[in-house]
Amino acid sequence: SQQGEEDPQALSIQEGENATMNCSYKTSINNLQWYRQNSGRGLVHLILIRSNEREKHSGRLRVTLDTSKKSSSLLITASRAADTASYFCAIEGGATNKLIFGTGTLLAVQP
Amino acid sequence: KAGVTQTPRYLIKTRGQQVTLSCSPISGHRSVSWYQQTPGQGLQFLFEYFSETQRNKGNFPGRFSGRQFSNSRSEMNVSTLELGDSALYLCASSLGTGGEQPQHFGDGTRLSIL
Repeated sequence: SQQGEEDPQALSIQEGENATMNCSYKTSINNLQWYRQNSGRGLVHLILIRSNEREKHSGRLRVTLDTSKKSSSLLITASRAADTASYFCAIEGGATNKLIFGTGTLLAVQP
Repeated sequence: KAGVTQTPRYLIKTRGQQVTLSCSPISGHRSVSWYQQTPGQGLQFLFEYFSETQRNKGNFPGRFSGRQFSNSRSEMNVSTLELGDSALYLCASSLGTGGEQPQHFGDGTRLSIL
């Protein structure tokens, strides 16, 4: 399956701490995207990293990509209670250009 | 700019019935994709439409179908509903087709099959 596998499945931290989530995949990709989903809501696009990029930043988010290991990580620094959500990686690759979503990491930030 | 709008938000049906879900994309967006989200299978791609043409299709049975209108609004239809069709159905729009376009999601339609 092309689906990304995310690790850990669930993560609980205190406000102010950093949160790191990992995504591994099996195929070659054109790009990898990260999305957030609050309970009962749709997904929100966070960041896109292309296959020829190794690191990208957006505010408190830092994404790395290692295509040799077929893995990516999302780091959220100085977490806030409002960061509590599920986080998904999505890979885009191959001829179809469709996005394949990972299994998600449930992040709980305790105030 | 209004976001992606999905209607209805909640729907309860019984086995064997059919259902139609609606999605209005962000103004100017021409690509609409549909996903099924369940606790067991996660987010699974159903299909993508661009300019009224189906561009991609996921691995779902023929009971799942969709269409897109000239104003880019999209509908998906599920016939002969089964218990396993209970899920959150998410619609996402983007400016164009192609994987580099960020997807903008609606809040979904929660479908429950009794």
